[in-house]
Amino acid sequence: DTEVTQTPKHLVMGMTNKKSLKCEQHMGHRAMYWYKQKAKKPPELMFVYSYEKLSINESVPSRFSPECPNSSLLNLHLHALQPEDSALYLCASSPRGANTGELFFGEGSRLTVL
Amino acid sequence: AQTVTQSQPEMSVQEAETVTLSCTYDTSESDYYLFWYKQPPSRQMILVIRQEAYKQQNATENRFSVNFQKAAKSFSLKISDSQLGDAAMYFCAYSSGRGGADGLTFGKGTHLIIQP
Repeated sequence: DTEVTQTPKHLVMGMTNKKSLKCEQHMGHRAMYWYKQKAKKPPELMFVYSYEKLSINESVPSRFSPECPNSSLLNLHLHALQPEDSALYLCASSPRGANTGELFFGEGSRLTVL
Repeated sequence: AQTVTQSQPEMSVQEAETVTLSCTYDTSESDYYLFWYKQPPSRQMILVIRQEAYKQQNATENRFSVNFQKAAKSFSLKISDSQLGDAAMYFCAYSSGRGGADGLTFGKGTHLIIQP
């Protein structure tokens, strides 16, 4: 299995809603990432988990809350989002310590905040 | 901090022709990796080719090859015999030699159009 699976593919939520994005990989990778991508822009790093511990938080607002329950699963909990948070959210994983630097990406979750 | 620059927002090429996408980067590190990722309208980022900084030989993957000039900090992608399926956003990306600890730093991307 060489896939990173993200659910849901599309999500529409109001500013008062609480929702979560889910990411799963079964490649034995020990680093997982959340990126945010606006239209026609490159992905921007949000969070990095290494061996299930948060290692990088790129000054992301607290309305985004990441969670890594185990080595295969990464969640992004969303609460009180703003319309400007509408974007494609990409999850990625990498074989931490394998010294390749390559990231494997999921198809993304398209988020629309009304 | 590392930076990656792609100076061509959009490129257009005739089907079956060759096109070169440019990328420059800035780093003070000696150990790093460079990548070209492709993102078609279907959204998923797909690795096209990877180059290790310590390797002098340019990487090649079928119709895709790179021209890696370490001293000039240049990393261009050549696509030969362009096909309609090559149409996508192409991102040049940098990773430090710390095994993915810092994620990837992306350039702004080049939108490649293939003319039939």
